[in-house]
Amino acid sequence: DQQVKQNSPSLSVQEGRISILNCDYTNSMFDYFLWYKKYPAEGPTFLISISSIKDKNEDGRFTVFLNKSAKHLSLHIVPSQPGDSAVYFCAASAGNNDMRFGAGTRLTVKP
Amino acid sequence: KAGVTQTPRYLIKTRGQQVTLSCSPISGHRSVSWYQQTPGQGLQFLFEYFSETQRNKGNFPGRFSGRQFSNSRSEMNVSTLELGDSALYLCASSPGSATNEKLFFGSGTQLSVL
Repeated sequence: DQQVKQNSPSLSVQEGRISILNCDYTNSMFDYFLWYKKYPAEGPTFLISISSIKDKNEDGRFTVFLNKSAKHLSLHIVPSQPGDSAVYFCAASAGNNDMRFGAGTRLTVKP
Repeated sequence: KAGVTQTPRYLIKTRGQQVTLSCSPISGHRSVSWYQQTPGQGLQFLFEYFSETQRNKGNFPGRFSGRQFSNSRSEMNVSTLELGDSALYLCASSPGSATNEKLFFGSGTQLSVL
């Protein structure tokens, strides 16, 4: 029962360019969405979040966009840096402390 | 403030055995969630505990169980281990009092079943 889907297992971009990571969800009850970043041998760390009452949230180089009608969100990283190379997980919650994650997208930023 | 601590870091077991994993949340956090990470499947939700009660549960068989103690520390148990249980098991904590909170993760326990 994959309620949160990340259909691209990997993404490679050049340093300085934009990275766009995509996520789709099926549960219309989800009202809080997050992105986490994970390096090898470490737990995921919180990156940015967005509530369903908004359609955009920015934090420095990171911007998350939410399209509720399409049940789609995306993470934009501008400009991309080699240190951004990691696995990115999309997550969603329906306000019940039950957070569901996608399968992850491995981002590689080439110097 | 110390982060989420998981022990042990690595574990090797054989099929049929059982295993117990431990998680100490961030001080003051009362909610503890457990996830299983396998390649291609991402993070699969196991269960969430709050104030010693299981509040949410994912779609895992009954061989997977957990509990939470009065100090919010949590343990996860897997009985009759199968090869497919080999995975990274992640624990996450949050204050637990609000409806939408970000989770803070530990580094995980890497379980290998031979």
